[in-house]
Formats: sequence, structure tokens, C-alpha cells
Amino acid sequence: AQSVAQPEDQVNVAEGNPLTVKCTYSVSGNPYLFWYVQYPNRGLQFLLKYITGDNLVKGSYGFEAEFNKSQTSFHLKKPSALVSDSALYFCAVSGGTYKYIFGTGTRLKVLA
Amino acid sequence: GAGVSQTPSNKVTEKGKYVELRCDPISGHTALYWYRQSLGQGPEFLIYFQGTGAADDSGLPNDRFFAVRPEGSVSTLKIQRTERGDSAMYLCASGEGAGEKLFFGSGTQLSVL
Repeated sequence: AQSVAQPEDQVNVAEGNPLTVKCTYSVSGNPYLFWYVQYPNRGLQFLLKYITGDNLVKGSYGFEAEFNKSQTSFHLKKPSALVSDSALYFCAVSGGTYKYIFGTGTRLKVLA
Repeated sequence: GAGVSQTPSNKVTEKGKYVELRCDPISGHTALYWYRQSLGQGPEFLIYFQGTGAADDSGLPNDRFFAVRPEGSVSTLKIQRTERGDSAMYLCASGEGAGEKLFFGSGTQLSVL
């Protein structure tokens, strides 16, 4: 069975500092991994995905994520956080099929 | 339209009533999903359509929940005899196929009193 874990309910970071939001997964076969962001009163928006290839994936708004097969992780990163990055972030996994399983989300708070 | 549209944005109903939630996906997207999101939780899979047929409805909690997509475009999620525990945000998403990114609507917040 597929599963995703986001171990941190909330991450606080000062503006201008690097940020990391953690995600680990379990899936049969090769994983398709995604990050989505949810702003208040809005739907989830796609940030980036890993299917194959380079382990470092770059996405929207300066975010990137690193796929680590041995640690079954796909952590979201950004070199310099902005206050406007404050939102709810979801990691999702698919075993190459249509079924996407989402984590419970991590609230990112960037402090000015 | 430009994105996935869900109506209504909010629905308040009484316990025992019937409700319908509508989703208008991005034109041309064959895959359509319904998810349910409770406060503090991630989206929970309900049902997946590929074209007109429900390819996987294993996430529907019970037989009070039903969804259709008769022409392969607009979908309706139907909930009979609503219960207070059905209160949640219901999200619709569409996509181009397996492994592709999903485009989400803004959701319908259902409140059962």
C-alpha cells in the first residue's frame, strides 16, 4: 500500500533563511512524487514533481525537492524563504498509477 | 474554462438531507478525481474517473456517496441522508492521465447541521 508521511505539523523559518519541509514515502514500484501548496481559501496548486531522472527537481516560485531513494524521502527546499511562502504544503505519491496519496500537510510560517 | 470550477463554494444542509456537489474540470482532461479534506488533514481519495466511467470508487466511505460523470466532463458528487460526520471540504481535481500533475478546484465546504 502507498503511504506518505510529513513528520512536522508546522515549520517556522525566518525570512531570508533556507527552508526544508520533510516528506517520506512508501510505495510499490517506482514512485511518482509531488509537492502541492495550499493558500487560504484556495485549492491546491502544483509545485513540482519527480518521475525519473535527476534527483534534484526544480519547480515553481524557487522551490526545489530532492529525491533520495535509499531514504525514501522527497524533501522540499528553498534557499531563501519569503513571507509570501507561508502556506500549507502537501507531499503526494503515486506508484505510477492514477491513485495519488497525500500526506497530512505541513504548515510553513515564514517570519519577517 | 481556465481552471477547475466547483459549485457551490459553500453548502449548509441539515442532517438527513440530500446534496449534490458539482465539478467542471479543465476542458480535455480525461482524469477526474474527488477528494475529501477534513480540518488538519490531507486530501483523502474518494473516487477516480477516466472518461465517463468510475475506474476506482474504493474511497467512497459508504453507499450514501455516489458520483457520476455522464459525458466525460462535468461530474457530480451526490450524498444521500447526510450526517454531521460528512462535514468537510470536498475537492475536485482533473488531470491528463496517470502520473501527471493534478489541477484542483477551490472546493466545496459542506456543513451538515
